[in-house]
Amino acid sequence: DADVTQTPRNRITKTGKRIMLECSQTKGHDRMYWYRQDPGLGLRLIYYSFDVKDINKGEISDGYSVSRQAQAKFSLSLESAIPNQTALYFCATSVGWGQGDTQYFGPGTRLTVL
Amino acid sequence: AQSVTQPDIHITVSEGASLELRCNYSYGATPYLFWYVQSPGQGLQLLLKYFSGDTLVQGIKGFEAEFKRSQSSFNLRKPSVHWSDAAEYFCAVGAFDQAGTALIFGKGTTLSVSS
Repeated sequence: DADVTQTPRNRITKTGKRIMLECSQTKGHDRMYWYRQDPGLGLRLIYYSFDVKDINKGEISDGYSVSRQAQAKFSLSLESAIPNQTALYFCATSVGWGQGDTQYFGPGTRLTVL
Repeated sequence: AQSVTQPDIHITVSEGASLELRCNYSYGATPYLFWYVQSPGQGLQLLLKYFSGDTLVQGIKGFEAEFKRSQSSFNLRKPSVHWSDAAEYFCAVGAFDQAGTALIFGKGTTLSVSS
């Protein structure tokens, strides 16, 4: 089984709809991240969490919210989806700086907002 | 501010030829540097990383990278490219001195392999 899983893998939704993307990990890592990838722009950080009680905004958090339900679960919500949120979304985990903080990525969720 | 530049958006290499993908970073302290690969329709896989010590780092799939502090570079190399290496490659820097900062990625280089 994959260490970092994301559901759904693909989603098509309409403008104005609320949508949640879920991430689960079995690596036992404290840190979790959400990124979005757009062609030609690389990956940009949306939100990150260093433990269950810690949530921080990243570079592009507007229009998104997150919930850290447990050490192993980190969800990303789009309260009212808009077309420019069409992108590939990645969840990642890391153990912390003591281990060099290597990040491990999930397979991604492709979101299309019509 | 920290940043990562990958000057080449797209590179085409013949199968069996050598490869070098360029990465330049801007960072005030000793950086933590990474190369990731993304195959079509897949997530990101870590190729290699540099934290300290030997500036020539070996990774998976026959890749290596060399950290050159004087040039602020961390170029990725492979002596002989295989068709399966066609993918998008991302260089990233970890900003250690900013509590709470995650990886900063370059915009990626797409590698095509010709036969």
